[in-house]
Order: sequence, then structure tokens, then C-alpha cells
Amino acid sequence: DTAVSQTPKYLVTQMGNDKSIKCEQNLGHDTMYWYKQDSKKFLKIMFSYNNKELIINETVPNRFSPKSPDKAHLNLHINSLELGDSAVYFCASSNLTSISYNSPLHFGNGTRLTVT
Amino acid sequence: AQSVTQPDIHITVSEGASLELRCNYSYGATPYLFWYVQSPGQGLQLLLKYFSGDTLVQGIKGFEAEFKRSQSSFNLRKPSVHWSDAAEYFCAVVPYSSASKIIFGSGTRLSIRP
Repeated sequence: DTAVSQTPKYLVTQMGNDKSIKCEQNLGHDTMYWYKQDSKKFLKIMFSYNNKELIINETVPNRFSPKSPDKAHLNLHINSLELGDSAVYFCASSNLTSISYNSPLHFGNGTRLTVT
Repeated sequence: AQSVTQPDIHITVSEGASLELRCNYSYGATPYLFWYVQSPGQGLQLLLKYFSGDTLVQGIKGFEAEFKRSQSSFNLRKPSVHWSDAAEYFCAVVPYSSASKIIFGSGTRLSIRP
């Protein structure tokens, strides 16, 4: 199936640990994103990459580091996890650099991160 | 300030009843407009989108939305809801001048009464 897929679906870990979330899209899109959805369902952009190049880097702690080995993959590594990092993290992609009518976002199914 | 407002946090309707979910935005020019649906444990799925042309837009799963410039609104409707429509619905806006930044509303949770 053509889709945005991310792993793992659930991630439970302790404070201070380092973890990674992987994302892959086979839609042939040029741009990939990471969004964070908090407990109130509010969605906020964290990063976006276009063809392996970082183009959006919102105010996110340095503990979060995205890595894009190629334009079909965008991974998120989180160091020294904190309780406040608990959230659902969504990977997304769009076929162009800009989100528009012709280039809407396509989302993965999310990774629920729980930090204890 | 630029914003997207979904005034209803939670709506409950009976199965088979009609539905309208409200969305208002405050931007100078008509932005790109989207509605997404998030089923429990799932990602966001695009229901429909609008930029110009016919102000009544048809989407997937029997949903439609109407753009009203005078009211800065883009309300989502469905004539007859099904139990499987229970989900969280997000209105989203991309300002025409800032096409990398999509702004999501706070969402409306839809529950269906049997």
C-alpha cells in the first residue's frame, strides 16, 4: 500500500532514556514532517525536511534531532527523555515543499510515546 | 492574530441525523482550507480541501463543506451520520502567503448516539 508508515506505534520508556521513531513514505513526496499532538489533541509542527534538507525547525528542545537519510525517510531521535515529552508524534509528507491545495499533508498513524 | 477556531469541543448526534461542524478562520486573504478526520488510534485522514471555485466541496465518506467568504467559515456537513463517523475532526488552514505552515484548529470530537 502507498502510505506514510511510522514505527513503533507505541513506545513506553523511562525518563532519561534515548529513543528513536522511524518514518517512511512511499508516496514519492519531496517533503516530510514531524508533528506533536499533545493530550488536548493540539497539533504542532516540529520539523520539516525537503529532499533531506531541513526547512522548518520550530522551537523544539535540542534533545530532539531529526535525521533524513533520503527523501523517503525521516527519523526522530530524542535524547534524555522527560515526562513532558509524552505525546503522540505524527510523521507526515507532502509532494511539494509547500503545503497547498495540490500538496496536502498525508499522515502516518502516529507513535504514542509514554515517558514514566 | 491569525487563527483557526473550532468552537465546538464535543458534539453528539444520533445515528442517521445530519451533522454540521463549524470552522472559522481569521486571515486577510482566502487561505487553503482542509478538513481532516482522526479515528481513535489512527493518523489524520484528509476529508476534503478548498482553495477557489465552487464554494460547496465534496469529500470522501459522504462529507461536504461550504466555504463562506463573508463569514470566514468553512463548515463541514454530512446529511446522515453513521456510527463509524465517531472521531475527532480537525479544520486546518494554510495561509496563502505562508504555504509551509499549516495551522490546525483544536478539533471537534464527534460522538454518535445509537
